[in-house]
Amino acid sequence: AQTVTQSQPEMSVQEAETVTLSCTYDTSESDYYLFWYKQPPSRQMILVIRQEAYKQQNATENRFSVNFQKAAKSFSLKISDSQLGDAAMYFCAYRRPLSQGGKLIFGQGTELSVKP
Amino acid sequence: DAGVIQSPRHEVTEMGQEVTLRCKPISGHDYLFWYRQTMMRGLELLIYFNNNVPIDDSGMPEDRFSAKMPNASFSTLKIQPSEPRDSAVYFCASNRASGSNEQFFGPGTRLTVL
Repeated sequence: AQTVTQSQPEMSVQEAETVTLSCTYDTSESDYYLFWYKQPPSRQMILVIRQEAYKQQNATENRFSVNFQKAAKSFSLKISDSQLGDAAMYFCAYRRPLSQGGKLIFGQGTELSVKP
Repeated sequence: DAGVIQSPRHEVTEMGQEVTLRCKPISGHDYLFWYRQTMMRGLELLIYFNNNVPIDDSGMPEDRFSAKMPNASFSTLKIQPSEPRDSAVYFCASNRASGSNEQFFGPGTRLTVL
């Protein structure tokens, strides 16, 4: 079975600085997707960034980028120029292709605080 | 599009009562997922549907939980009888069969069982 581990329950960053959130996963499959979701106090789950396992290039979305190391099964999220609105719980998630059952398997989450 | 719609947003009930949570997925989405979020267990999948058919219900905790999807635009998650340990936030999410693979989440229902 696939598992996702986020080893940092809490992280803190100064506004405008850069922070990296860690995520490792375990799978024997070669075809899968990885996601980072943001959950602010409103509880809404918001997709931050996605990575297809077959793509070697790391995904980027504005201030958000990932470091995808497939062999090491590592998928970290880097937030550049941190803003107060980035404060939230961040979840790393793994998913098999929909044709094989597309449920998301989540890590435990990392609570990010941003200091002004 | 209005996004995934869930109702109610908050539910407070007494132990032993029946609880029904509702979800309307995004129009055109083929997959519907029910997740539960608790402090102890985090986010976990309860059940998911493909084209209204339940595919994997291995996450449903016990017989007190049941889910239906009578048509492409509506699903329910029912707990009968409810227990205090069922208190959690329940999310519904939907997905197209093709395209970006993004799962779109509803706002969640916060259930409190007293």
